[in-house]
Amino acid sequence: KNEVEQSPQNLTAQEGEFITINCSYSVGISALHWLQQHPGGGIVSLFMLSSGKKKHGRLIATINIQEKHSSLHITASHPRDSAVYICAVRFTGGSEKLVFGKGTKLTVNP
Amino acid sequence: DSGVTQTPKHLITATGQRVTLRCSPRSGDLSVYWYQQSLDQGLQFLIQYYNGEERAKGNILERFSAQQFPDLHSELNLSSLELGDSALYFCASSLHPGVNTGELFFGEGSRLTVL
Repeated sequence: KNEVEQSPQNLTAQEGEFITINCSYSVGISALHWLQQHPGGGIVSLFMLSSGKKKHGRLIATINIQEKHSSLHITASHPRDSAVYICAVRFTGGSEKLVFGKGTKLTVNP
Repeated sequence: DSGVTQTPKHLITATGQRVTLRCSPRSGDLSVYWYQQSLDQGLQFLIQYYNGEERAKGNILERFSAQQFPDLHSELNLSSLELGDSALYFCASSLHPGVNTGELFFGEGSRLTVL
């Protein structure tokens, strides 16, 4: 069964802390997306990965294909980072279907 | 601003009714995806169109249908609405499907409430 698991489900941090959100999946993938959903509901795509590591500002995403695991890191967290972070994967097999994790709700307190 | 436009932003209707949600993709993007986000199911893929043709189908009910028009905008039709259809419906677009070019751009979503 093609599954995506995220941890933790909820995360509360103090401003300035280093944040890590994890995503594990069950079988081989062709791509993995990290998405951010703000309280207003809109979704922003942060990264699309098929291997290695990507960095954008204070955000870093890594993926380990052998271990079927990806992490999203936020350095020097800020209250505006408060959002739900969602991992989504495209499993190998040619389908364009994305399977989503349940999301990690991050709250960064000032 | 992602460049993807969805209308309407909010919609309240009654059970048994039919609604149409509209999506205009980012300029130049050929692929359109529809997703449903409900409180109990989370985000689920419904359907994808590429350059006017259906390309992939997910957990889309038979009461729902979609199409992509020659100008690349897409519509999602939801009929015989039930209370459980209340959800946020997102549209996303990408230039091409595929590993290296499949970055997604999401619209703001259409919030459907069925009473």
